[in-house]
Amino acid sequence: QVQLQQWGAGLLRPSETLSLTCAVYGGSFSGYSWSWIRQSPEKGLEWIGEINQSGSTNYNPSLKSRVIISIDPSKNQFSLKLKSVAAADTAVYYCARMAVGSGWSIDSWGQGTLVIVSS
Amino acid sequence: DIQMTQSPSSLSASVGDRVIVTCRASQPIHIYLHWYHQKPGKAPKLLIDATSTLQDGVPSTFSASGSGTEFNLTISSLQPDDFATYYCQQSYNTPYTFGQGTKLEIK
Repeated sequence: QVQLQQWGAGLLRPSETLSLTCAVYGGSFSGYSWSWIRQSPEKGLEWIGEINQSGSTNYNPSLKSRVIISIDPSKNQFSLKLKSVAAADTAVYYCARMAVGSGWSIDSWGQGTLVIVSS
Repeated sequence: DIQMTQSPSSLSASVGDRVIVTCRASQPIHIYLHWYHQKPGKAPKLLIDATSTLQDGVPSTFSASGSGTEFNLTISSLQPDDFATYYCQQSYNTPYTFGQGTKLEIK
């Protein structure tokens, strides 16, 4: 049973960089896409972007200019950086696994990290 | 982006009731439609993928169908554990997008 465990800073000031990391336990990196998703009362669930084992990325155009997702297969980890945060980036951030075998559904989620952007 | 619209936004029902949640896509998405539920303070959980495939452990009271742009999630007999918020999500195109949610509450 795969488990995703995420961590990172939960309180940021405007213009700082959000940085989160997700570790994958009990599963392989291959055959899956690894995503970041956020959830806020204002925007609901919003897909941020994804990365595969080879490092190919795909980002939401609404965030593309500020997002970098990276992967370290040797550590079974992937990471999110979101630059120049503002109050509108306040949300719960989730790491997640998307499975090609199930039509790219999200079959595993991290526990979520509440990130608050405030001066 | 493909817009996903769920209806209703909220629903009050009783244990034993049959409920249907509808999800409409702004363009055809083939079968790339998935359903999740979420309880307060928890991550969403996958219930059904690829329009109609129940995940292991999901009760048979759940079913789903649809194609193209209109999809339904049916709970044939509500149980206490089913009261949650339900989301649909398309994976036909990036950016992957979600419905706004349907909050299912106890009447």
